[in-house]
Amino acid sequence: NAGVTQTPKFRILKIGQSMTLQCTQDMNHNYMYWYRQDPGMGLKLIYYSVGAGITDKGEVPNGYNVSRSTTEDFPLRLELAAPSQTSVYFCASSYRPEGLAGGSYEQYFGPGTRLTVT
Amino acid sequence: AQTVTQSQPEMSVQEAETVTLSCTYDTSESDYYLFWYKQPPSRQMILVIRQEAYKQQNATENRFSVNFQKAAKSFSLKISDSQLGDAAMYFCAYRRAKGGSEKLVFGKGTKLTVNP
Repeated sequence: NAGVTQTPKFRILKIGQSMTLQCTQDMNHNYMYWYRQDPGMGLKLIYYSVGAGITDKGEVPNGYNVSRSTTEDFPLRLELAAPSQTSVYFCASSYRPEGLAGGSYEQYFGPGTRLTVT
Repeated sequence: AQTVTQSQPEMSVQEAETVTLSCTYDTSESDYYLFWYKQPPSRQMILVIRQEAYKQQNATENRFSVNFQKAAKSFSLKISDSQLGDAAMYFCAYRRAKGGSEKLVFGKGTKLTVNP
């Protein structure tokens, strides 16, 4: 079990460039998340997905797009990169049984991608 | 909106001693979950301990335990017999019990240094 994997580990982008951060999980989790962590701060939710084909915005979605065509993959797209998007990006996943509300289902995190926009 | 506050940006402890990290939160919900995550220099987020708000008993995991005070909205982490490997950033996090994204709301973190 690889868990949650993210690529790349590091990336430097020029202002205005675009890129896709990849996230894959092999645990058959239905929920997936993208967070960003700015220096000296906790993580903030960008987008999330409750299953293939279903995505929704989190706290800080501006400048990002996501898609979820399979259970395993949840890529994050940055269009027209800006210096404010310099951050560490974490993908996470969790499993919640269908029709069950609540539960302290653990979120499993990937190792993160450090992105610098200059 | 829910908020999580960690008032100690940095803490230090001697190896083998005990340290307590503070966390307070604000919510109007009655049912929720609280977590402590550890983030070592590798950046990997590791779940240390979790607490269900409906449980009065404080959670424990080996050397880690919490003091959950629901009325005071306080959730502190106690690390006993501190080890060098405990040095890391520690984040307190909140999650609603029902509905929505099940997103985690994080505090800003406490950097723990363990001195040999």
